[in-house]
Amino acid sequence: DSGVTQTPKHLITATGQRVTLRCSPRSGDLSVYWYQQSLDQGLQFLIQYYNGEERAKGNILERFSAQQFPDLHSELNLSSLELGDSALYFCASGSGSKYEQYFGPGTRLTVT
Amino acid sequence: KNEVEQSPQNLTAQEGEFITINCSYSVGISALHWLQQHPGGGIVSLFMLSSGKKKHGRLIATINIQEKHSSLHITASHPRDSAVYICAVMEYGNKLVFGAGTILRVKS
Repeated sequence: DSGVTQTPKHLITATGQRVTLRCSPRSGDLSVYWYQQSLDQGLQFLIQYYNGEERAKGNILERFSAQQFPDLHSELNLSSLELGDSALYFCASGSGSKYEQYFGPGTRLTVT
Repeated sequence: KNEVEQSPQNLTAQEGEFITINCSYSVGISALHWLQQHPGGGIVSLFMLSSGKKKHGRLIATINIQEKHSSLHITASHPRDSAVYICAVMEYGNKLVFGAGTILRVKS
């Protein structure tokens, strides 16, 4: 158990809908990272937050947004969903000052 | 060309064999991670390296910063080692870039 929690575990929704994925980092970790793992593109970095502020951005679509709240949990919002958004979404947390990252169990999103 | 290349893509071994998975990268990095992903989907961080060598049980990871190359070795492999092994490099700024993964199957 990495200490990182993600909810929900599974999510099935229809095209055009909007969903929110939630991540709670390990106690004491200030950084949250979001990753997408799809069959055709593998694992990709989406975005990083550190202590409430956006720190780095990767291949995140404009339809996706994220935020980190004062209690350090983070949410990834996916809107106008398309079939191609079906993937595993992982979050990871880290202290920010070191390079280690601890992965959550992931949320499996299926868009039908 | 991908920034992170892993080889082999697929690997089948007999129980007890010594296994090596290689990772080459083309960018400047602050660290390199080896990750393990089981069929259930969860990702476990095995090693984080910025230089030299690390050992944990039957797993050994090495990195050569000058040659931009890392290897993951599994000694005395076991069927429970069957998983996808992913190399990921941490670019400056803490962004992780992933290799495509090596699918390992260890037969008893």
